[in-house]
Amino acid sequence: AQTVTQSQPEMSVQEAETVTLSCTYDTSESDYYLFWYKQPPSRQMILVIRQEAYKQQNATENRFSVNFQKAAKSFSLKISDSQLGDAAMYFCAYFHAGNKLTFGGGTRVLVKP
Amino acid sequence: EAGVTQFPSHSVIEKGQTVTLRCDPISGHDNLYWYRRVMGKEIKFLLHFVKESKQDESGMPNNRFLAERTGGTYSTLKVQPAELEDSGVYFCASSRGPIAGAQETQYFGPGTRLLVL
Repeated sequence: AQTVTQSQPEMSVQEAETVTLSCTYDTSESDYYLFWYKQPPSRQMILVIRQEAYKQQNATENRFSVNFQKAAKSFSLKISDSQLGDAAMYFCAYFHAGNKLTFGGGTRVLVKP
Repeated sequence: EAGVTQFPSHSVIEKGQTVTLRCDPISGHDNLYWYRRVMGKEIKFLLHFVKESKQDESGMPNNRFLAERTGGTYSTLKVQPAELEDSGVYFCASSRGPIAGAQETQYFGPGTRLLVL
């Protein structure tokens, strides 16, 4: 069975600085998708970034970028120029087939002004 | 476009009682999913509807949980009778089509926080 591990329960970053969240996963599949979701306090979870495993190029969305290392089964998220609005729970998720996402335990990001 | 909505936002019930959670997906989204996050643990898949049909209910924990999607629109998740370990946040998500093969994603609702005392 696929598993997703986020080893950092909480990360703190100074406003305008950069923070990197780690995510590792276990799968025997070669074709899959990886996602980072963000859930602000008391608000709904939104998609931050998406990566297709067959693409070698790392996905980027504005201040958010990933470092996808397929061989190492690693999918880290970098938040650059952190803003107060980035404070949230971040979930890494894996998808292969069947339309169900497998999530990691989440990392809480605190942004200090 | 309205997002996925869930009702209630919070529910506190006693062990043995019944609770029904509701999810309204984004209009036009045939796929509807239920997930659950028990305190401090991973978000776990519960089940997946395609229109009114259950496509995958492999994540449903036991027969105290019943999900329906009448008419392929909104969905309800009933827990009867509720147990202490059912406490957690129940998320609903929807998507227009399957994730793979297209720029498709699951859009999540804000969740229902259930506390069973």
